[in-house]
This record gives sequence, structure tokens and C-alpha cells, in this order.
Amino acid sequence: DVKVTQSSRYLVKRTGEKVFLECVQDMDHENMFWYRQDPGLGLRLIYFSYDVKMKEKGDIPEGYSVSREKKERFSLILESASTNQTSMYLCASSSTSGGTYEQYFGPGTRLTVT
Amino acid sequence: KQEVTQIPAALSVPEGENLVLNCSFTDSAIYNLQWFRQDPGKGLTSLLLIQSSQREQTSGRLNASLDKSSGRSTLYIAASQPGDSATYLCAVRNTPLVFGKGTRLSVIA
Repeated sequence: DVKVTQSSRYLVKRTGEKVFLECVQDMDHENMFWYRQDPGLGLRLIYFSYDVKMKEKGDIPEGYSVSREKKERFSLILESASTNQTSMYLCASSSTSGGTYEQYFGPGTRLTVT
Repeated sequence: KQEVTQIPAALSVPEGENLVLNCSFTDSAIYNLQWFRQDPGKGLTSLLLIQSSQREQTSGRLNASLDKSSGRSTLYIAASQPGDSATYLCAVRNTPLVFGKGTRLSVIA
């Protein structure tokens, strides 16, 4: 089974702090994604990566950056956390081989910025 | 720009009923369509994936169909159970996935 893990289930940070959210997958997937999910807005793509050291902006990249130094790990960075970044953050991965690109999700990190 | 709509936003049914969840999309040039389940406060669990060349996929009591030309997919759940209560999301892949906002299903015992 594909396993996608996220470093924290719940996180509380103060405004202005630098926040790191870590995601690790164990299936050698090429593609990794970061989403945020908010009531009424659904899932929105922040950043994605098709390979090590590659990154692409999604729909809402402002205020975020990412890092992918190793194939299995994709980090989301909030450079200076703000209250409007309080949200559920979901990481996902998918494989290019096989052609399905089926996405597998982690359990999510509920981030509260106070 | 691809838009994905799921109707209804919420649905409540008695246990044992067969039900259909709907998903529509505006751009038929999709690579595939994926149905997910999400329990409150949790991540998404993949239920079924239909490639653009396929018409349907089945897994247990679940059956998903795809009609690309009309921009529609349905998720059929047979003999619903209280454990099926969750939010169901569909997502279409152009590049990358575009999600609907989900249908929140409650199955009443």
C-alpha cells in the first residue's frame, strides 16, 4: 500500500513565524502535491513537483514556498505565517509510470495561526 | 479553465438505499477522473479511478461511470450503510487534478 505521511496532524503557530510542513511518501512516486482545504472553497492546489528540485506553482502559491531535495520528501514552507493561512493542509503523491497518475493523500495537517 | 461541480452538496438517506452522486465538468479533454472519500478531519482516500478511455469502474458496492462527451460522472453506492457516511469528492485530471467541492453523505441507521 502507498503510504503518504505528514509530519504533524495538528499545529499551532503564531503570526509571523516560519512554518515547515513535511510530507514523505514511500512508493518512489515522481509527483508530489500540496493542497489546502477550506470550508466552502474545497481543495486548492498550492504547489506541485514532478521531480527532485522541480516545482510548479498551483492556483494559490502566494505566501508559500516549497522544497524537494529528495524524491520521497516534499516540504511546504510558510515564510511568515498569517491568520489567513489557518487551514487544513493535504499532501499527495502520484506515479508517472503505469499511466494512471492515481493520487494518494496523506492524513492532513490542521494548522492554526494565532 | 476546468470547473468541476458536484450536486447535491449534501444528501441524507436511510440505510439500505441505493444512491447516486453526481459530478460534472466543463472541459471534456480529461486524462482521467478519480473519486475520493473523506472522513471528517482526515485525508482523502481514493475509491475509484476511471481512465478517459473507460466507461466505468467497480469496486465492491461502488460503481463509477464516466461520460466524457457530456462531461459527467456518477458514483453509484449500492445498499448504503452508516459507515458510508462521509464526504465524496470527484476530481478530473487535465494537469493536475481539479476537484469538486464534494457531496456530504449521511446514511441514517
